[in-house]
Amino acid sequence: GEDVEQSLFLSVREGDSSVINCTYTDSSSTYLYWYKQEPGAGLQLLTYIFSNMDMKQDQRLTVLLNKKDKHLSLRIADTQTGDSAIYFCAERSPGGSYIPTFGRGTSLIVHP
Amino acid sequence: DTEVTQTPKHLVMGMTNKKSLKCEQHMGHRAMYWYKQKAKKPPELMFVYSYEKLSINESVPSRFSPECPNSSLLNLHLHALQPEDSALYLCASSQAGTENSNQPQHFGDGTRLSIL
Repeated sequence: GEDVEQSLFLSVREGDSSVINCTYTDSSSTYLYWYKQEPGAGLQLLTYIFSNMDMKQDQRLTVLLNKKDKHLSLRIADTQTGDSAIYFCAERSPGGSYIPTFGRGTSLIVHP
Repeated sequence: DTEVTQTPKHLVMGMTNKKSLKCEQHMGHRAMYWYKQKAKKPPELMFVYSYEKLSINESVPSRFSPECPNSSLLNLHLHALQPEDSALYLCASSQAGTENSNQPQHFGDGTRLSIL
């Protein structure tokens, strides 16, 4: 079955870049998503990438996809205290069930 | 602000009460989902509705009863819940159909449920 792995914690200083990593096992994974969850809130879709892409940039966010290693990363430039949240990686395979598989989430802590 | 609206935001109920959670979206999405999320964990899928029909039930206990009265609304009826059912209940929606399987889910802010 599908499996999505993330490290549980990341601590960075305000103004630095954050890199959150995710690995997945399903080689047919075609769609990969990053969600942000702030305390007491739902999941906010940040960005997503298709497997025919290697990189996607959106303002301070850069997503890199290494299909060979089944590795996805989310880079947040100039990290701010408001970026403190849990970040979930999710993957979805084409056809069949269209239900995404979520990683356990990475808690990003930004300190001054 | 989220385009998926859930009410109430917080709910405290006893084990013998009956209550309902509500979810509404006006994005024209025809797939709607209920998830349960415990603290510091990823969301766990409970139910999926596709074109107003229940398509997935992840072996959820019968004390949770979903309902999809129309394409914009999704309810979750609760009865005789247990303390371990305390959690954040998230609703999500997306485009339906395999031709739209690349489209992401959009989540509401959830209902924080506490069972006494």
